[in-house]
Amino acid sequence: AQSVTQLDSHVSVSEGTPVLLRCNYSSSYSPSLFWYVQHPNKGLQLLLKYTSAATLVKGINGFEAEFKKSETSFHLTKPSAHMSDAAEYFCVTRGGNQFYFGTGTSLTVIP
Amino acid sequence: GAVVSQHPSRVICKSGTSVKIECRSLDFQATTMFWYRQFPKKSLMLMATSNEGSKATYEQGVEKDKFLINHASLTLSTLTVTSAHPEDSSFYICSARAPSGTANTNEQFFGPGTRLTVL
Repeated sequence: AQSVTQLDSHVSVSEGTPVLLRCNYSSSYSPSLFWYVQHPNKGLQLLLKYTSAATLVKGINGFEAEFKKSETSFHLTKPSAHMSDAAEYFCVTRGGNQFYFGTGTSLTVIP
Repeated sequence: GAVVSQHPSRVICKSGTSVKIECRSLDFQATTMFWYRQFPKKSLMLMATSNEGSKATYEQGVEKDKFLINHASLTLSTLTVTSAHPEDSSFYICSARAPSGTANTNEQFFGPGTRLTVL
């Protein structure tokens, strides 16, 4: 069965410092993995997705994620946080027709 | 492309009334749409899978008579919350699955969500 675990429910960083949001996956085969961002009272926006083409995936707004099979991880990173990055982030995997969501990580950016 | 809209974005209703939420894929045909519910500061919970022209498939614990889903066309699915009560207050998000054979096959595109408040 597919699932993802987001290791941190809350992350706080100072503006201009790196961002690391952690996600581990569980899958019996090569997974499809996604990171979505949700701003308050808004829908979900796709940041990036991994579909086995390249292990380092670059997304929008300067985010990227690296698929590490040996660690079953798909952590989201950004070199320098911006105030507008404050939001809820979801790591998601797909199994057949369905998406399986992590519990989310709330990112706070301190000015 | 791949835009999904929801209407209304926000609705307030009295307890006991029914509320209909629309989900539309604006620039592609979606044979499959999904309805999620999100509680405050929580993740998304899949409620049901809506297939065009057939009955929706509900997740365990979701009352099908309470949450009526109709997927009458390839671009529209509706969720009706019947006899709404305050505990039904939530953020409802729909998504549409991208068509097969496209670059985004099997990806889901999410609507902006509908905030339901039942008084």
